[in-house]
Amino acid sequence: NAGVTQTPKFQVLKTGQSMTLQCAQDMNHNSMYWYRQDPGMGLRLIYYSASEGTTDKGEVPNGYNVSRLNKREFSLRLESAAPSQTSVYFCASKLQGNLDQPQHFGDGTRLSIL
Amino acid sequence: EDKVVQSPLSLVVHEGDTVTLNCSYEVTNFRSLLWYKQEKKAPTFLFMLTSSGIEKKSGRLSSILDKKELFSILNITATQTGDSAVYLCAVNTGANSKLTFGKGITLSVRP
Repeated sequence: NAGVTQTPKFQVLKTGQSMTLQCAQDMNHNSMYWYRQDPGMGLRLIYYSASEGTTDKGEVPNGYNVSRLNKREFSLRLESAAPSQTSVYFCASKLQGNLDQPQHFGDGTRLSIL
Repeated sequence: EDKVVQSPLSLVVHEGDTVTLNCSYEVTNFRSLLWYKQEKKAPTFLFMLTSSGIEKKSGRLSSILDKKELFSILNITATQTGDSAVYLCAVNTGANSKLTFGKGITLSVRP
């Protein structure tokens, strides 16, 4: 009963380094989302994938790329990390259909960029 | 621009107190409003509200939506220290079920 699994849980990077955050869900959900959470800012949507094979920008996409590898996996890549990207990153998934369903979240990745 | 505002931003109460958490919204396309509880890690789902005036209840927690006045409240009765958390309100704006979140309310329950 894993739900949404994110790896790694913690990471420290130097400015300019690249990194991929991994997310996998085992609930057969079709939509997946990446958020960042900063103090005093709430959760903000970076990118989302409504279904396998599609991705779209959210509210704060600059400096990030995503890949929907298959139905289970949705990765977030930082090509050249900047201190402003220090944050906690959450992945979420949901079943998209006629009946509205809630998003389910992973435990997050705490990322620090020096 | 879609907006979700939660108040108060933080709250300290004693065990046994009743608390009311507020969430107001201004969005172009409303589908549902959701409440989540966040302790150390993942936000966990509490309620989804789609219709005005229908109370959702789970144990000591309850929530209601007013679509005319564009707000929702989350009530917690007989609070316990385990209720200490950040409570997040989010609105589903319909376009691919994207959620717009408020900043969250930090609730501290003292013994």
